[in-house]
Amino acid sequence: EPEVTQTPSHQVTQMGQEVILRCVPISNHLYFYWYRQILGQKVEFLVSFYNNEISEKSEIFDDQFSVERPDGSNFTLKIRSTKLEDSAMYFCASRDRMGTGELFFGEGSRLTVL
Amino acid sequence: EDQVTQSPEALRLQEGESSSLNCSYTVSGLRGLFWYRQDPGKGPEFLFTLYSAGEEKEKERLKATLTKKESFLHITAPKPEDSATYLCAVQAATGGYNKLIFGAGTRLAVHP
Repeated sequence: EPEVTQTPSHQVTQMGQEVILRCVPISNHLYFYWYRQILGQKVEFLVSFYNNEISEKSEIFDDQFSVERPDGSNFTLKIRSTKLEDSAMYFCASRDRMGTGELFFGEGSRLTVL
Repeated sequence: EDQVTQSPEALRLQEGESSSLNCSYTVSGLRGLFWYRQDPGKGPEFLFTLYSAGEEKEKERLKATLTKKESFLHITAPKPEDSATYLCAVQAATGGYNKLIFGAGTRLAVHP
């Protein structure tokens, strides 16, 4: 069964360091997303990406965040200068069509900022 | 403001004891309501999408229903392997097709 894969599964970093989280969406999917979940809190939308550009972003997704699809398979989330409050589980998701097509999530990358 | 509220926060059942989880929502036009299952330390696993009031969907011991204000996830004769957090999310008709707004989830524990 096709799945969304994410790396690394866990990353520990020092405050102020840059972090890149990687995702390989399902191969025939066209719409890509990042969500995050702070421990014990709700899953929150960060950003959506289609046709090589951001289609929507939340207030959380400020200038320290960026996304990129550097090749035909990878989708990355970069945090330029991490803060303690960036510690969370980051989920990549993809869907094959707009509207209400099912959104499939990866297993997540746990980011711990010290 | 679009909002999703799930109740109860936590539910403990004996194996075989059926029950229902509630998801109430306020949204400026509902495009779709989604149910996900989340195991500890894992990503949400898709279960159902419901689009309009009166719609029902079933999968094994789970049945999801939708009204104009809320959705229920009915669990019939649950087993310990059904233990997980069940998340409800909505997609609003306004503001683009993109984001899902999640509730806080219901933590279900099924004991043998």
